[in-house]
Amino acid sequence: DTEVTQTPKHLVMGMTNKKSLKCEQHMGHRAMYWYKQKAKKPPELMFVYSYEKLSINESVPSRFSPECPNSSLLNLHLHALQPEDSALYLCASSQVPSETQYFGPGTRLLVL
Amino acid sequence: AQSVTQPDIHITVSEGASLELRCNYSYGATPYLFWYVQSPGQGLQLLLKYFSGDTLVQGIKGFEAEFKRSQSSFNLRKPSVHWSDAAEYFCAVASRRQKLVFGTGTRLLVSP
Repeated sequence: DTEVTQTPKHLVMGMTNKKSLKCEQHMGHRAMYWYKQKAKKPPELMFVYSYEKLSINESVPSRFSPECPNSSLLNLHLHALQPEDSALYLCASSQVPSETQYFGPGTRLLVL
Repeated sequence: AQSVTQPDIHITVSEGASLELRCNYSYGATPYLFWYVQSPGQGLQLLLKYFSGDTLVQGIKGFEAEFKRSQSSFNLRKPSVHWSDAAEYFCAVASRRQKLVFGTGTRLLVSP
C-alpha cells in the first residue's frame, strides 16, 4: 500500500483566514514533504521533515507553517495568505530521505 | 547543481502508436531517476524509477525507461498508447539533499 491521503480536497479562504492542510500516511515512512504546484508547472519543494524534524525549508514565507505531530501526520498551517498562494498543495512521503517519494492527491487552494 | 530537461512541452500521439518522452539530466554523481504521471487536478503517480543495476527499467501501465549514462538521458517509452495515457509526465532526479528536482513536464495528448 503506497497511499498518502490529504484533506481537504478543496479549500477556499480569505486573506485574513487561518486554515490548515492535513496529510497522513500509514506506510511507516520517516520522511514527509510539502510541495506547491502552480498550473502548468512542476511541483516546487517547500518543506521536508525527516524523522519528525524539519530538515529543509526552501525559504518559504512565514505565512506557511508546517508541523509534524507524529511520524504519520503532517500539517501545513496557513495564515494571511495572498491570492498568488492559490495552487495545488501536494504532500509526499518516503521510507527515508532520498528514497522514492509517494504523493497524495493534493489540496486545491484558492485564496480570495 | 542538478537539473532536468524535458525538451518537449507537448506531444500528440495516435492511439495505438508508440511513445517516447525525452528526459535529460545534469548531476555529478550516479543519479536516482524517476518518471511520474499526473492527470489534471490530481497528485503524481510513480511510473518507474532507476537507482542502479539494469539500465532498462520496467514500470506500471506498460511503461519502460532506459538509463543512458553517456547521453545523460532517461527516456520513457510505451509500445502502444491508450487514450487513458493522456496526462502530464514529469521526469525527476533526486539529490543527496533529499530534494526531488523535476523537469518542466511533457503534456501527452492522444488522438483517436
